[in-house]
Amino acid sequence: DQQVKQNSPSLSVQEGRISILNCDYTNSMFDYFLWYKKYPAEGPTFLISISSIKDKNEDGRFTVFLNKSAKHLSLHIVPSQPGDSAVYFCAASGPGDMRFGAGTRLTVKP
Amino acid sequence: GAGVSQSPSNKVTEKGKDVELRCDPISGHTALYWYRQRLGQGLEFLIYFQGNSAPDKSGLPSDRFSAERTGESVSTLTIQRTQQEDSAVYLCASSPGTGIAAFFGQGTRLTVV
Repeated sequence: DQQVKQNSPSLSVQEGRISILNCDYTNSMFDYFLWYKKYPAEGPTFLISISSIKDKNEDGRFTVFLNKSAKHLSLHIVPSQPGDSAVYFCAASGPGDMRFGAGTRLTVKP
Repeated sequence: GAGVSQSPSNKVTEKGKDVELRCDPISGHTALYWYRQRLGQGLEFLIYFQGNSAPDKSGLPSDRFSAERTGESVSTLTIQRTQQEDSAVYLCASSPGTGIAAFFGQGTRLTVV
């Protein structure tokens, strides 16, 4: 059962524009949400997180939005840079384990 | 070390053999996770340890898979009688606790031939 879903396997944007990556979850027990970035042959790297008591968290070019009623979160990257090209994983955790989406491959074109 | 360390980084094994994968978490991290990433797929949850609580084994795909953790230190993931479908990158992550970001190791690439 997929408790965390990333329905877009890939996204391509132009350098300087906004990248929006989306994620949906089904388990209402999740109370902490994270985004990870992964380059080939490396482990995922933590990017940004948000607690369920917030609806927005911003860190530089990265902003995560949480819509609890819709069980939806998104990651905005602006402006996008070629170095942002990677696979982005959404994750959700509750009292126990942490579950990941299937990932979205972001390509930022110069 | 400063980060999560996994060994070996690469492992090639013959079908039917047992393999043991090791994870050294960040010191002081009470939570430890194992995931599997097959080629072209996402991160598949395997098992979760939190302190001295009973581990959450709900993600283990079969009884050929088992994992142990000694206290809040090293964890080993054992796969018995390996099959070709076990070929994947096995990733370990640790965290100071729930509700806090986890940090990943580089992974162990397992190839079953």
